[in-house]
Amino acid sequence: KAGVTQTPRYLIKTRGQQVTLSCSPISGHRSVSWYQQTPGQGLQFLFEYFSETQRNKGNFPGRFSGRQFSNSRSEMNVSTLELGDSALYLCASSFGTLNEKLFFGSGTQLSVL
Amino acid sequence: SQKIEQNSEALNIQEGKTATLTCNYTNYSPAYLQWYRQDPGRGPVFLLLIRENEKEKRKERLKVTFDTTLKQSLFHITASQPADSATYLCALDESGYALNFGKGTSLLVTP
Repeated sequence: KAGVTQTPRYLIKTRGQQVTLSCSPISGHRSVSWYQQTPGQGLQFLFEYFSETQRNKGNFPGRFSGRQFSNSRSEMNVSTLELGDSALYLCASSFGTLNEKLFFGSGTQLSVL
Repeated sequence: SQKIEQNSEALNIQEGKTATLTCNYTNYSPAYLQWYRQDPGRGPVFLLLIRENEKEKRKERLKVTFDTTLKQSLFHITASQPADSATYLCALDESGYALNFGKGTSLLVTP
């Protein structure tokens, strides 16, 4: 069974630009969560989707958005990039509706210059 | 506010010894607690989940305890090996809102 796939692996953008990150969950998993990881703050929850519906959202500005498609694949978008958005963005999938046993991708390392 | 605290200082131990990592939490009433391992540049990998009515859980060389009175979980790796060197993350979820992670403890096992 293929794992969680995130693309691209690395991304370099400049301030003010926008970026779209992609996540393909494990086949059969309907829940997809997104996290931002930085050395200072650790893993911080961005949002979670289940069956194309955003169920939960973390404490991030509206510049961070996401969506989930009918095949459970998910994308997250960050508009008007700031230097502080530089981070490892991780996607995780799980089978059910509870946050038990998340399977993470390797992440997208975003650098904002 | 809710907090998950793990030892911020790295834990250095000798191969063959038992490593013990601590996770303390406040303002949570979790139904379960999870431990993950993360290697540099990679996503976390699920290790163990322990429920509130379980005092202890084992998987091979790993053992987790969960004390809801002390609001603490201990994570043990017995007969540690250099390959166990990684960052270990504790995670809590309440009411199915989101899985929140501690900042992790870095473990270094030296030969």
